Amino acid sequence: ETGVTQTPRHLVMGMTNKKSLKCEQHLGHNAMYWYKQSAKKPLELMFVYNFKEQTENNSVPSRFSPECPNSSHLFLHLHTLQPEDSALYLCASSQAQGQLSYEQYFGPGTRLTVT
Amino acid sequence: AQTVTQSQPEMSVQEAETVTLSCTYDTSESDYYLFWYKQPPSRQMILVIRQEAYKQQNATENRFSVNFQKAAKSFSLKISDSQLGDAAMYFCAYRSPMDSNYQLIWGAGTKLIIKP
Repeated sequence: ETGVTQTPRHLVMGMTNKKSLKCEQHLGHNAMYWYKQSAKKPLELMFVYNFKEQTENNSVPSRFSPECPNSSHLFLHLHTLQPEDSALYLCASSQAQGQLSYEQYFGPGTRLTVT
Repeated sequence: AQTVTQSQPEMSVQEAETVTLSCTYDTSESDYYLFWYKQPPSRQMILVIRQEAYKQQNATENRFSVNFQKAAKSFSLKISDSQLGDAAMYFCAYRSPMDSNYQLIWGAGTKLIIKP
């Protein structure tokens, strides 16, 4: 275990549903990240929060909406998704965003299937 | 823009033998960090090893070592005495100090199979 938990581990949702992914880190970190992992493709960074402030949004469609109420919790709210949004969604955290050497710690991911 | 290439989608090795996973990257910068991450079938990604570009000495962590060739922009991972628990996806990643957000640029990964 890396100290980063994600729930749920698996999620199946229809295109008209609204659901949320949750991430929690127990490491005292100040930066949190959402990644999308699709098969045979590099990880795609979606959002970054540093000290609860969003510092990165990599042109992610508005059907994905992040929320970071505090440095330990990160949510990804989902609505009206498309089948191509099916993927593994990974959460990560690090001490802060601004250091080259800082390692990112990852959660186990949520396997999302959009039907 | 920086890119990271892992040219081997899949590698297999006999248990107890040595295997090398390749990674090349494209950059015009002189200082940066390189990482190898491992993602076992349980899916939790963990850091294996990191290398700072300014350090000439290759990083090592127990059975894991890197061959960092800065001029060739190559950063391969060598796993010695392979064990069944080494079976996983391995990702190479690059981080630049020029990126204000210090984003990681990822390769597509190499699936490592360990044959008993």
